[in-house]
Amino acid sequence: AQRVTQPEKLLSVFKGAPVELKCNYSYSGSPELFWYVQYSRQRLQLLLRHISRESIKGFTADLNKGETSFHLKKPFAQEEDSAMYYCALSLSGGYNKLIFGAGTRLAVHP
Amino acid sequence: GAVVSQHPSRVICKSGTSVKIECRSLDFQATTMFWYRQFPKKSLMLMATSNEGSKATYEQGVEKDKFLINHASLTLSTLTVTSAHPEDSSFYICSARLKTSSYEQYFGPGTRLTVT
Repeated sequence: AQRVTQPEKLLSVFKGAPVELKCNYSYSGSPELFWYVQYSRQRLQLLLRHISRESIKGFTADLNKGETSFHLKKPFAQEEDSAMYYCALSLSGGYNKLIFGAGTRLAVHP
Repeated sequence: GAVVSQHPSRVICKSGTSVKIECRSLDFQATTMFWYRQFPKKSLMLMATSNEGSKATYEQGVEKDKFLINHASLTLSTLTVTSAHPEDSSFYICSARLKTSSYEQYFGPGTRLTVT
């Protein structure tokens, strides 16, 4: 069955510290993975997509098919990074629906 | 950018009544819209996929007769919660996918439904 696991509900760090939000997936097809972010009182928005291999707001994520992981990383966290982060898996075929992980709340303290 | 709106943002209804939630893509056409439900401090759970001009595809465990979805145009999808019960109280979020895009979904701000 398709599943996305984010093991940490809360990740609390100090400003300037490195951040890694973990995401593991289970899917028999070819995975397409995303990170979505939800800032306080705002709607969910796309942060980055594994295929584009880009860095957005200093965040990067590499798809590791061997470990079935797509961890989100940032070398130096900023207070404005505090938000809810969701890892999502797009199922191939049909309508490309998204399966979301439970989310990790990142709290960056001054 | 692509904007998705939802109306109403909050609604309180009495048990047994029906309530309709609208999802609109304001500046783009969306052949596919998705409806999610989010429980407090939980993730988004996909309820159904809505396609313009055809019947919605519901996820396993979601009652079709309870959650009626209509996608009448390329910019509007509606979710009607029929005969609402307190356990239907939740945060309902829609998303829309650009007609020309195969992957990115744009999310609405959500609708908080409270059934008393």
